[in-house]
Amino acid sequence: EPEVTQTPSHQVTQMGQEVILRCVPISNHLYFYWYRQILGQKVEFLVSFYNNEISEKSEIFDDQFSVERPDGSNFTLKIRSTKLEDSAMYFCASGGASGSTDTQYFGPGTRLTVL
Amino acid sequence: AQKVTQAQTEISVVEKEDVTLDCVYETRDTTYYLFWYKQPPSGELVFLIRRNSFDEQNEISGRYSWNFQKSTSSFNFTITASQVVDSAVYFCALMEYGNKLVFGAGTILRVKS
Repeated sequence: EPEVTQTPSHQVTQMGQEVILRCVPISNHLYFYWYRQILGQKVEFLVSFYNNEISEKSEIFDDQFSVERPDGSNFTLKIRSTKLEDSAMYFCASGGASGSTDTQYFGPGTRLTVL
Repeated sequence: AQKVTQAQTEISVVEKEDVTLDCVYETRDTTYYLFWYKQPPSGELVFLIRRNSFDEQNEISGRYSWNFQKSTSSFNFTITASQVVDSAVYFCALMEYGNKLVFGAGTILRVKS
């Protein structure tokens, strides 16, 4: 069964460093998402991406964040200068093989720890 | 504004008990979608079910069943004869036009043997 994959599973970085989180969505999906979950809290929407551009972003997704689909398979989230409060689990999701409101399937997550 | 409320922070049951997880949502849209996801201790988010606002039929899948009631804006999830493997955090989520998911705070379910 096709699944969303994410790498790395765990990333430790120093405050102020740039990190890139990688995702490979399900191959026939058209919509891609990033969500984050601070430890013990709810899952929060960050950004959605369709047709090579951002379709919606949350207040969390400020200028420090960017997303890219550099080739036909990868979808990346970059945090330019990490802060302590960026420590969280970051989930990639994909959906929309037949429409924008399709079910979103999540990857296993990348746990980001900012020291 | 859309909002999802899962009032039960944590529920503990003994194996084989039935348990219901509550979800109440708020939306102004007439077309919307509701979801349940399971987050086991390993951390991934596993899709369980999707319901659209025009389909109020209850659904049963094995030991799982869902009760969608538009009149009370609720989408409750029942596990029958719970098992230890059901121990997880369960999230209810709402999708309106625009396709982002808004999650509730989650309910931690602990099933003891």
